[in-house]
Amino acid sequence: GENVEQHPSTLSVQEGDSAVIKCTYSDSASNYFPWYKQELGKRPQLIIDIRSNVGEKKDQRIAVTLNKTAKHFSLHITETQPEDSAVYFCAATLIMNSGYSTLTFGKGTMLLVSP
Amino acid sequence: DAGVTQSPTHLIKTRGQQVTLRCSPISGHKSVSWYQQVLGQGPQFIFQYYEKEERGRGNFPDRFSARQFPNYSSELNVNALLLGDSALYLCASSLELAGGRFTGELFFGEGSRLTVL
Repeated sequence: GENVEQHPSTLSVQEGDSAVIKCTYSDSASNYFPWYKQELGKRPQLIIDIRSNVGEKKDQRIAVTLNKTAKHFSLHITETQPEDSAVYFCAATLIMNSGYSTLTFGKGTMLLVSP
Repeated sequence: DAGVTQSPTHLIKTRGQQVTLRCSPISGHKSVSWYQQVLGQGPQFIFQYYEKEERGRGNFPDRFSARQFPNYSSELNVNALLLGDSALYLCASSLELAGGRFTGELFFGEGSRLTVL
């Protein structure tokens, strides 16, 4: 089955700095790679995703890059703000036409943005 | 529109007891998945149901079971509770596109936090 490794486990930055979180996956068939943000006591929420036919995707201050050859993908947050403080999870899956797909999550990165 | 709703939000059980957790998906979503999130870890897949049929099962013992009802709501049952079952249980629904394909995005509920003493 799929295995997702995520680094670092904690990341502290100053407000305005950039933050980068990296993930590797094991199953070369995986074709969908979402990132979820989970604030303390809240539900995980999708912040950005990328599919295997795309190398990079950007949404305002957030971007994700995918290297299929190396089987790794990264989340980049620029101009960090205190409200970006949360736990971020990467995940990977193979979306099949049958409708069955299950996300394999990394262990999470706790991002702390200090004012 | 209401998001994914789960009940109860918190519960405390003792070892050996049984628990039932409930989930209502977003209106129009026919697929429901269950995930277990142990403190400090990422969510781990337990079950996926679609149109009342089990589509997938994660690496969990037979003490874990689930079902989906005609209105697409779902229940997760855990029997013979162990201390290690203490976790946040997340339900997520997903949307089917035309042709039976899924977007991949999961919409999570706030979870049911189970503590086993």
